[in-house]
Amino acid sequence: QKEVEQDPGPLSVPEGAIVSLNCTYSNSAFQYFMWYRQYSRKGPELLMYTYSSGNKEDGRFTAQVDKSSKYISLFIRDSQPSDSATYLCAMSDGPGAGSYQLTFGKGTKLSVIP
Amino acid sequence: DSGVTQTPKHLITATGQRVTLRCSPRSGDLSVYWYQQSLDQGLQFLIQYYNGEERAKGNILERFSAQQFPDLHSELNLSSLELGDSALYFCASSVTGGTNEKLFFGSGTQLSVL
Repeated sequence: QKEVEQDPGPLSVPEGAIVSLNCTYSNSAFQYFMWYRQYSRKGPELLMYTYSSGNKEDGRFTAQVDKSSKYISLFIRDSQPSDSATYLCAMSDGPGAGSYQLTFGKGTKLSVIP
Repeated sequence: DSGVTQTPKHLITATGQRVTLRCSPRSGDLSVYWYQQSLDQGLQFLIQYYNGEERAKGNILERFSAQQFPDLHSELNLSSLELGDSALYFCASSVTGGTNEKLFFGSGTQLSVL
């Protein structure tokens, strides 16, 4: 079993829809959870960063962590065509979004149709 | 633009050959990371350097090596190339590689081994 599982999609939604992206993990030592967005032919960029369980909101984006279920989610409200990208979850048992000890999911490709 | 520069953007070579990938970190960043992204394995951490010194090693093969030079640019050397080495290679940088630091990724080098 992979440490981090992420549905690769692709996921196609109409503009304005609410998008839900998810990852499950097996390593209970993970404490730091991140979502990266990767546009085609670009490197990943950090979107959201959360520590332990709970929710974090940033504009149209909400990240949720449920450590008891080993499950994390990213919600995108009022999705826009510019949100079309691959979304990668990443997690770490060490501190900091800059920690090299990141384990990534394989990414979910999202397309938002105008 | 993340400020991290990678060259070349594309590289096509044959099995058994050796190639060098180059990375210039963001101005002021002392830490450089190398990642490999493939469809099979997703994004995998290879190695990290800080101010010229190796700080951490991940899933890096013995055929691969890296270094960080006094001007802080870094090179990843891949030798005795195999078909399975075909992947997107990313460089990332951060200020010190310490806690709570954001990683900035370059646009990657697409390596094709034929």
